[in-house]
Amino acid sequence: GQSLEQPSEVTAVEGAIVQINCTYQTSGFYGLSWYQQHDGGAPTFLSYNALDGLEETGRFSSFLSRSDSYGYLLLQELQMKDSASYFCAVRDPGTASKLTFGTGTRLQVTL
Amino acid sequence: KAGVTQTPRYLIKTRGQQVTLSCSPISGHRSVSWYQQTPGQGLQFLFEYFSETQRNKGNFPGRFSGRQFSNSRSEMNVSTLELGDSALYLCASRTDIYTEAFFGQGTRLTVV
Repeated sequence: GQSLEQPSEVTAVEGAIVQINCTYQTSGFYGLSWYQQHDGGAPTFLSYNALDGLEETGRFSSFLSRSDSYGYLLLQELQMKDSASYFCAVRDPGTASKLTFGTGTRLQVTL
Repeated sequence: KAGVTQTPRYLIKTRGQQVTLSCSPISGHRSVSWYQQTPGQGLQFLFEYFSETQRNKGNFPGRFSGRQFSNSRSEMNVSTLELGDSALYLCASRTDIYTEAFFGQGTRLTVV
């Protein structure tokens, strides 16, 4: 089976930097994805790491260490609109068609 | 390009009834997956269809079923509804299994 763990809540100030961690246990590995979901909204794809290292997309960056079974999402220059839930996810190693999601981290950005 | 469309957005049903939810994927996307989201269990995979064939199924009882039509639109059905089926049901589409999934806004099902 597969399991992913994330902190349940993170609070940060507008303009700051915040890191959301994700540790995973999988029977195989096919890359780590990150999704953002605002209350009442659809999960939106943010980034994907198949190999070790940092992927940067604007204010968001994602890091992966396969040897540590660990990844994180880094959000810079936080804005109020970044307040949302963030999920890490891995693909099923057999078919890649199934996503297993982490428990989700609720980010609250304050003034 | 239109996104993933799910209908209806909200639904209230009584225990024992059945319900059918609909999902229209992004044009050109042949893979459609369904997920259930609840506060307690988070996002859980229900099943995935590709070119009208179910390719993968999650750990849900047989009351949960789905299908996909030749135009890639998909439906999921839940029979004999239970209170615990109350959840947000999300549909996601992608071009193939190696690309990222795009989610719809979901159908909020409440069973009373």
